[in-house]
Amino acid sequence: NAGVTQTPKFRVLKTGQSMTLLCAQDMNHEYMYWYRQDPGMGLRLIHYSVGEGTTAKGEVPDGYNVSRLKKQNFLLGLESAAPSQTSVYFCASSHTVEGSYEQYFGPGTRLTVT
Amino acid sequence: QQQVKQSPQSLIVQKGGISIINCAYENTAFDYFPWYQQFPGKGPALLIAIRPDVSEKKEGRFTISFNKSAKQFSLHIMDSQPGDSATYFCTGSARQLTFGSGTQLTVLP
Repeated sequence: NAGVTQTPKFRVLKTGQSMTLLCAQDMNHEYMYWYRQDPGMGLRLIHYSVGEGTTAKGEVPDGYNVSRLKKQNFLLGLESAAPSQTSVYFCASSHTVEGSYEQYFGPGTRLTVT
Repeated sequence: QQQVKQSPQSLIVQKGGISIINCAYENTAFDYFPWYQQFPGKGPALLIAIRPDVSEKKEGRFTISFNKSAKQFSLHIMDSQPGDSATYFCTGSARQLTFGSGTQLTVLP
């Protein structure tokens, strides 16, 4: 079991460039999430998905798009990168959102936009 | 709007000491309060969690105290060890996790 994997691990973009971050999970989880982590601000939810083919906005969705074409994959896209999107991005997944559930996190992608 | 407020931002404790991290929440819809631990270069991982119908939960050296009326909860790490050095996040869940800002704990040998 690899759990939650993210590619790439590091990326440097110039302002205005686009890129896609890939998240994959092998736990057959229904729910998947994208967060960004900035110093002193904890993790903030960008977008999430409650199942294959569905996506929803989180707390900070502007400038990002997502797709969940397959249950095991959740893609995060930046169409026109901005320096404000410099951050560490984490993907997570969970089996449920009821009761005492656990979100499993990937190792993160460090993105720098210059 | 910061729905989960966490303090302190950083904490330095001697080996064997007690580490205490405090959190306060605003959203009364939260029905589950997990704590996540994050080591440098890694993603967060669930450490311990509590539901608001209990006032305390203990797992080994880690204890959550919960005060529903005050909308406050805290993590106590007894006999802190250098291996506990990490960033700790309190969270509140109403089907989605809302994270506190994090506490960077350093345990000195």
